[in-house]
Amino acid sequence: DGGITQSPKYLFRKEGQNVTLSCEQNLNHDAMYWYRQDPGQGLRLIYYSQIVNDFQKGDIAEGYSVSREKKESFPLTVTSAQKNPTAFYLCASSTGTDGNQPQHFGDGTRLSIL
Amino acid sequence: GQSLEQPSEVTAVEGAIVQINCTYQTSGFYGLSWYQQHDGGAPTFLSYNALDGLEETGRFSSFLSRSDSYGYLLLQELQMKDSASYFCAVATMDSNYQLIWGAGTKLIIKP
Repeated sequence: DGGITQSPKYLFRKEGQNVTLSCEQNLNHDAMYWYRQDPGQGLRLIYYSQIVNDFQKGDIAEGYSVSREKKESFPLTVTSAQKNPTAFYLCASSTGTDGNQPQHFGDGTRLSIL
Repeated sequence: GQSLEQPSEVTAVEGAIVQINCTYQTSGFYGLSWYQQHDGGAPTFLSYNALDGLEETGRFSSFLSRSDSYGYLLLQELQMKDSASYFCAVATMDSNYQLIWGAGTKLIIKP
């Protein structure tokens, strides 16, 4: 079955450490996204990519970095510059980024600070 | 700025009908989407409206009025499994067609 796989499910970060969250999709979608969700809040866009080797900053990109070397993969690095990284991180994909395409989500990664 | 408002919580009885409202203040409105998210889970797409009117998909319907900057999600024949959070999200030209999400409405269903 096609879908989006995020790993790990839970992740703990030490002070000053960078961590990378994995996102892989086999839906053959061109567009991929990373969102952050804090308790009781909606999703906020971190980065998105419309095509391989291209990505754009979302509303809260500071302290995060991404790469898109393959169509299937869109890893997110939470750097030490992100001072409040504790959140639920969701990866999504869609056939296009024109706002009317349904986004398909992975099961998320919960990141906490040790 | 761009903003969306939806009630934080709605309570209904199993078998009943419930409406979840969403009002938005945006420029360059393109479309309104609805997503469902169970506790701790992934959001799943429910519906999309770009034009005024009602879109029906099984027990769920979604309505949009562009002139009123308003939409709603209507859930009929409520089942316990419908207990979840429901998010409206708008795409606008100003956001480069990326989704701007509301804070979500937690739907509590009582037997």
